[in-house]
Amino acid sequence: QLHLQEPGPGLVKPSETLSLTCKVSGDSISNSSYYWGWIRQPPGKGLEWIGSIFYGGTTYYNPSLKSRVTLSVDTSTNQFSLNLSSVTATDTAVYYCARHMRIMAPKWFDSWGQGTLVTVSS
Amino acid sequence: EVVMTQSPATLSVSPGERATLSCRASQSVSSNLAWYQQKPGQAPRLLIYGASTRATGIPARFSGSGSGTEFTLTISSLQSEDSAIYYCQQYNNWPLNLFGQGTKLEIK
Repeated sequence: QLHLQEPGPGLVKPSETLSLTCKVSGDSISNSSYYWGWIRQPPGKGLEWIGSIFYGGTTYYNPSLKSRVTLSVDTSTNQFSLNLSSVTATDTAVYYCARHMRIMAPKWFDSWGQGTLVTVSS
Repeated sequence: EVVMTQSPATLSVSPGERATLSCRASQSVSSNLAWYQQKPGQAPRLLIYGASTRATGIPARFSGSGSGTEFTLTISSLQSEDSAIYYCQQYNNWPLNLFGQGTKLEIK
């Protein structure tokens, strides 16, 4: 059974880089049927897609965040990562990692991690 | 950029009745639409993809319909456990992959 887990730092200072890693079990991150994505949700608000990555390195980013986002994948440890630079209080959110169905291009998110709350504050 | 608009913002329905949730796209997304259910404190769960295909393990009382710009999620015979926020997501227009703002479904 697929399981995604994204333990987080909890608190990040303004202007610093938020780093998260999603550990995947129950599937290979090299499965060509999927991308692996990040979505966030500010407290009390809706869902915002951040970006998705294929094991081969192909990435898709939300244009509104692209300049600050870096995604990477590590097939040897079956995990993928998010770096969000120059964070401000508006980046405070629950961050989810998710498996992203791939049919030529990314489609729907069929499995999600439980999410981790990251607060940006000094 | 495709804008997804969900209505109503909040819906209150009695147990056993039917709930109808709407999602409208600002331009055609064909049938490239998914629906998710999110309960408090939980991650979203995929309900529907391809506008009308139920995901694995989703009860038959959940059904999706529509294409182009107008989509509907129907929950028949509502149960208390269906109280949640429901989001639609289009995946037709890349690189942007947008969610609607959500509909909160309350069970009376």
